Amino acid sequence: QKEVEQDPGPLSVPEGAIVSLNCTYSNSAFQYFMWYRQYSRKGPELLMYTYSSGNKEDGRFTAQVDKSSKYISLFIRDSQPSDSATYLCAMSGTGSARQLTFGSGTQLTVLP
Amino acid sequence: DSGVTQTPKHLITATGQRVTLRCSPRSGDLSVYWYQQSLDQGLQFLIHYYNGEERAKGNILERFSAQQFPDLHSELNLSSLELGDSALYFCASSKGPIAQETQYFGPGTRLLVL
Repeated sequence: QKEVEQDPGPLSVPEGAIVSLNCTYSNSAFQYFMWYRQYSRKGPELLMYTYSSGNKEDGRFTAQVDKSSKYISLFIRDSQPSDSATYLCAMSGTGSARQLTFGSGTQLTVLP
Repeated sequence: DSGVTQTPKHLITATGQRVTLRCSPRSGDLSVYWYQQSLDQGLQFLIHYYNGEERAKGNILERFSAQQFPDLHSELNLSSLELGDSALYFCASSKGPIAQETQYFGPGTRLLVL
């Protein structure tokens, strides 16, 4: 079983929809949680960064971390066609978990 | 544009061969990370260098090696290539020595082993 599980999709939504992307993890040492966006044939770019549990909002994006359930989410409000990309969750912690461990990515398409 | 450059963009080679991938980090960044992205394994951490010294190793095969030079650019050497080594190889850079800092990814090198 992988340390980080992410539904690969693909996920297709109409423009303006609220999108929910999720990851679960098994390693309790993870404390830092990130969401990366990767456009086709490009490198990943950091979208959201959260430390420990809680919520963080940045414009149309909200990241949630529930460490008790080992579950993280990314919400995209008023989704736009330009949001069409693969979204990767990533996490790290201390000790042997200090390097980034990525989920497999969810492919999102927002239809105009 | 993240400021991280990688060359070449594409590489086609044969099994058993050796290739070198190059990465130049963002100006001022001292850390370089190498990752491999394949369809079946996703994005996997390979190795981390900080200011010329190896900081951490991940799932890097013994056939693979890397180094970071005094000008901070890094090279990833892949030898005795196998079909399964076909993947996207990314480098990322950050300012300090810890992986939790924001990492900026380059555009990647697409390697195809025939």
